[in-house]
Amino acid sequence: KNQVEQSPQSLIILEGKNCTLQCNYTVSPFSNLRWYKQDTGRGPVSLTIMTFSENTKSNGRYTATLDADTKQSSLHITASQLSDSASYICVVRGTGRRALTFGSGTRLQVQP
Amino acid sequence: DSGVTQTPKHLITATGQRVTLRCSPRSGDLSVYWYQQSLDQGLQFLIQYYNGEERAKGNILERFSAQQFPDLHSELNLSSLELGDSALYFCASSPRDSRTDTQYFGPGTRLTVL
Repeated sequence: KNQVEQSPQSLIILEGKNCTLQCNYTVSPFSNLRWYKQDTGRGPVSLTIMTFSENTKSNGRYTATLDADTKQSSLHITASQLSDSASYICVVRGTGRRALTFGSGTRLQVQP
Repeated sequence: DSGVTQTPKHLITATGQRVTLRCSPRSGDLSVYWYQQSLDQGLQFLIQYYNGEERAKGNILERFSAQQFPDLHSELNLSSLELGDSALYFCASSPRDSRTDTQYFGPGTRLTVL
């Protein structure tokens, strides 16, 4: 069964600090992996998308990495801001049924 | 603002009832996706339509159905509602039917089944 596991489940950091969120998946065959940011009660917003051949992709202070061999991805947030407080969701797309498999998310809270 | 609109914003109904959720994609987008987000299960992909035709199915119950109309708006019909159907329902759209297209999410419809 295709699965996407995210860790930690929740995280509290101080403003200005860096953090790294993890995503492990078993989806196969693999097409691409996306990271979304979701504010409470709002729709998710795409941060990055990476295909099999991409190892790193940045979007401002967000940098995603992908190791397709070990089926692991990480999202690194640099110099965190209060507005980074949100849930971060890892989504993996397979090649077969075109369906998307969502992780349960990491709830990040940035405190002043 | 993603450009995707969903109505209604909130919906409260009783078990056994039927409701229809509506989604208007971003201008020019041909693909529409429906998702369910409940507290205990996170985001779940339900179904995708591309230019009026069903393209992919996820964990959509038989009590649920969807369609995409010629003007590209989409409706998600939920029938014989159960308490467990209470959730946020999101619609997303993308320009084409490409696996790498970014999906733009609407603000969601919060459904409460009493």
